[in-house]
Amino acid sequence: DAGVTQSPTHLIKTRGQQVTLRCSPKSGHDTVSWYQQALGQGPQFIFQYYEEEERQRGNFPDRFSGHQFPNYSSELNVNALLLGDSALYLCASSRGTGGARRGQPQHFGDGTRLSIL
Amino acid sequence: SQQGEEDPQALSIQEGENATMNCSYKTSINNLQWYRQNSGRGLVHLILIRSNEREKHSGRLRVTLDTSKKSSSLLITASRAADTASYFCATDASGGYQKVTFGTGTKLQVIP
Repeated sequence: DAGVTQSPTHLIKTRGQQVTLRCSPKSGHDTVSWYQQALGQGPQFIFQYYEEEERQRGNFPDRFSGHQFPNYSSELNVNALLLGDSALYLCASSRGTGGARRGQPQHFGDGTRLSIL
Repeated sequence: SQQGEEDPQALSIQEGENATMNCSYKTSINNLQWYRQNSGRGLVHLILIRSNEREKHSGRLRVTLDTSKKSSSLLITASRAADTASYFCATDASGGYQKVTFGTGTKLQVIP
């Protein structure tokens, strides 16, 4: 039973470029959340996808966008990259997001390390 | 911004000792979770405690929650070198869909 997988593991981009990160959730999970983790900090919530819609969003600009596909996999897109976007990007999956299914533990991938030059 | 603040920021103990980490948060919550992160890796879920629970155990882990003080603690008993990692509390705020907000973390070093 594969856990959460993310690709690529490492990525180097230059300022102004665009990047797409990918995530496949754990089998049986339908909710995907994305986090940005700067060095030495805790993960910061970017947004969450459930039923192919963005359900919650953190304090991130519109340069950060996402998508969820019918098979529950997800993409994170970042446009007009800035030096400050250098971070570990983590994807987490869980089962359900609201109501009685709330409070399910999240399973994390090992992240994509994005470096901006 | 971070919802939770962990204390201490760093902790160094000898193998076999107990480690206690504290977390304070700001808003009403549905539940609070603790995660572990080994260097450069993803986070691993340790334990979840709901807002109507006061204490929970899982193996060598004991978590307490005081919603009146908006605080939680994680106790790791009989620590091992393999427990060396960063530990984060994460809160799921009340209302709406699940939205988990992480704290700043405690870096634990267990010396063999």
